[in-house]
Amino acid sequence: QQQVKQSPQSLIVQKGGIPIINCAYENTAFDYFPWYQQFPGKGPALLIAIRPDVSEKKEGRFTISFNKSAKQFSLHIMDSQPGDSATYFCAARGYNFNKFYFGSGTKLNVKP
Amino acid sequence: GAGVSQSPSNKVTEKGKDVELRCDPISGHTALYWYRQSLGQGLEFLIYFQGNSAPDKSGLPSDRFSAERTGGSVSTLTIQRTQQEDSAVYLCASSGQGSYEQYFGPGTRLTVT
Repeated sequence: QQQVKQSPQSLIVQKGGIPIINCAYENTAFDYFPWYQQFPGKGPALLIAIRPDVSEKKEGRFTISFNKSAKQFSLHIMDSQPGDSATYFCAARGYNFNKFYFGSGTKLNVKP
Repeated sequence: GAGVSQSPSNKVTEKGKDVELRCDPISGHTALYWYRQSLGQGLEFLIYFQGNSAPDKSGLPSDRFSAERTGGSVSTLTIQRTQQEDSAVYLCASSGQGSYEQYFGPGTRLTVT
């Protein structure tokens, strides 16, 4: 059973656009929801994370929106730039789990 | 300070050979994770170490895979009798005490010919 479902698989936007990547989870015991950014040949890097007690968190041009009742969360990238072109992974973890559950990834291409 | 380091960065081996992959976590981090990432795929959890507790090995795909962590720091992932389906990037990550923030290493790209 896939604990975290991510969509879309790939996304193409023009520079300045606002790509949105969505994730849905199953387990209500999850209490930490990070997003990772991965460039080719590199390991994933933590971008931003949210706890379920807030509905939105912003860090620079990156925003997480969280809907606890729907068990969904999304990443928005404001004023996207070609340098944001990367693969993005959502994940989830709960205090009683030893591991993170990752989404399948979204490959973002921001065209100049 | 230094991040998570992994070695080698690339490893090509023949089918049936054993390989060892090394991970040096961030100094002082108590938690260490190994993941496998196949080409264009997401991250597959392999094993988790936390301090002196027994590791969570629930993600290891077969008994050909094993890992150890010496002195609560460096970890080695060993794959015995490698198969072509073992070809992937193996990622290591570490977290500080009580933190969920994972910091990943650059990975080891394993190719089994």
